[in-house]
Amino acid sequence: DAGVTQSPTHLIKTRGQQVTLRCSPKSGHDTVSWYQQALGQGPQFIFQYYEEEERQRGNFPDRFSGHQFPNYSSELNVNALLLGDSALYLCASSLDIYNEQFFGPGTRLTVL
Amino acid sequence: KQEVTQIPAALSVPEGENLVLNCSFTDSAIYNLQWFRQDPGKGLTSLLLIQSSQREQTSGRLNASLDKSSGRSTLYIAASQPGDSATYLCACGGPGTASKLTFGTGTRLQVTL
Repeated sequence: DAGVTQSPTHLIKTRGQQVTLRCSPKSGHDTVSWYQQALGQGPQFIFQYYEEEERQRGNFPDRFSGHQFPNYSSELNVNALLLGDSALYLCASSLDIYNEQFFGPGTRLTVL
Repeated sequence: KQEVTQIPAALSVPEGENLVLNCSFTDSAIYNLQWFRQDPGKGLTSLLLIQSSQREQTSGRLNASLDKSSGRSTLYIAASQPGDSATYLCACGGPGTASKLTFGTGTRLQVTL
């Protein structure tokens, strides 16, 4: 049983560009959450998707948006990239909003 | 707004020592509390999950306790090994959901030979 998978592993973009990160949840999981982890910091909650809708959102600007597909996979989109968006982006999935989250390996985004 | 603090930020111990990592949180209305391990540049591995109604959980050499009233959790690692070297993160879920975790900044542990 594959765990949570994320693609790509690494990504380099320049300021002002747009980026899309992808996440496939663990088999049987229908809830996906995204986190941003800056170097030396703990992960920060971006948003959560359940039943193809954004259910909760952290303190992130509208440049951060997402989508969940009928197969429960999810995308994180970031527009107008800033240098400060450089971070490890983690996806987590769970059976529902009440159960333990399992994390993927992350996507390392570098903005130059 | 929930705030999670972990002390110490870094810790170095010789192999074989027992050690305690501390986590404190400001809002006791948590849904659950999880301890994670993170190796450099990698994702998070869940170590222990404590539901809000529980006081402790154990897995092998690890034991985590939860005291909601005082806003504290501890992770006890027995007989530490060099392979335990990693950053340990604690995260509070909730309120009302396990899927919105608030993390501390972690404790970086090095176990030396």
